[in-house]
Amino acid sequence: DSGVTQTPKHLITATGQRVTLRCSPRSGDLSVYWYQQSLDQGLQFLIQYYNGEERAKGNILERFSAQQFPDLHSELNLSSLELGDSALYFCASSKQGIPVFGPGTRLTVL
Amino acid sequence: SQELEQSPQSLIVQEGKNLTINCTSSKTLYGLYWYKQKYGEGLIFLMMLQKGGEEKSHEKITAKLDEKKQQSSLHITASQPSHAGIYLCGADISAGGTSYGKLTFGQGTILTVHP
Repeated sequence: DSGVTQTPKHLITATGQRVTLRCSPRSGDLSVYWYQQSLDQGLQFLIQYYNGEERAKGNILERFSAQQFPDLHSELNLSSLELGDSALYFCASSKQGIPVFGPGTRLTVL
Repeated sequence: SQELEQSPQSLIVQEGKNLTINCTSSKTLYGLYWYKQKYGEGLIFLMMLQKGGEEKSHEKITAKLDEKKQQSSLHITASQPSHAGIYLCGADISAGGTSYGKLTFGQGTILTVHP
């Protein structure tokens, strides 16, 4: 157990829908990262928050958004879902620059 | 092409054999991270290397970062079935190493160890 929790573990939805993935970082970690892992693209960085503020952005689609709340948990919102959005979505948190990953949320878009 | 290239893409070895996985970057590596992943599960942090020439070991796994800081290798001695999984290298390749932990990952190496 890494100390990073993600819910839900699995999510099955239809194209065009919107979903929210939730992440709770390890106690004391101020940074939260979101990554997407798919067979064709591999593990790709989406976005990073530090103590509530956006710090870095990767190849995150405009249909995707994220935020980090005052209690440091984070949510990744995915809208207008497409078949190609099916992937494992990981959250990671860090205190001293070493990202520790959560178990992931497997999203299936039908 | 990938900014981080891992080789080989897959590896099948007999238990007890040694093996090496390589991670090559087209840019200077300011921090190189090795993770292990069981299929469909989260990544487990193994080691981080920052200085050219640095070498770290944990149990039977040794990782090195070459002097020019553009390649790292992960060596497993006397492999066991428990070593099986996907090994991923992740790196901070931003200019000056200012990515604040945002990592670029290689495609991964799938390791199978036959008992």
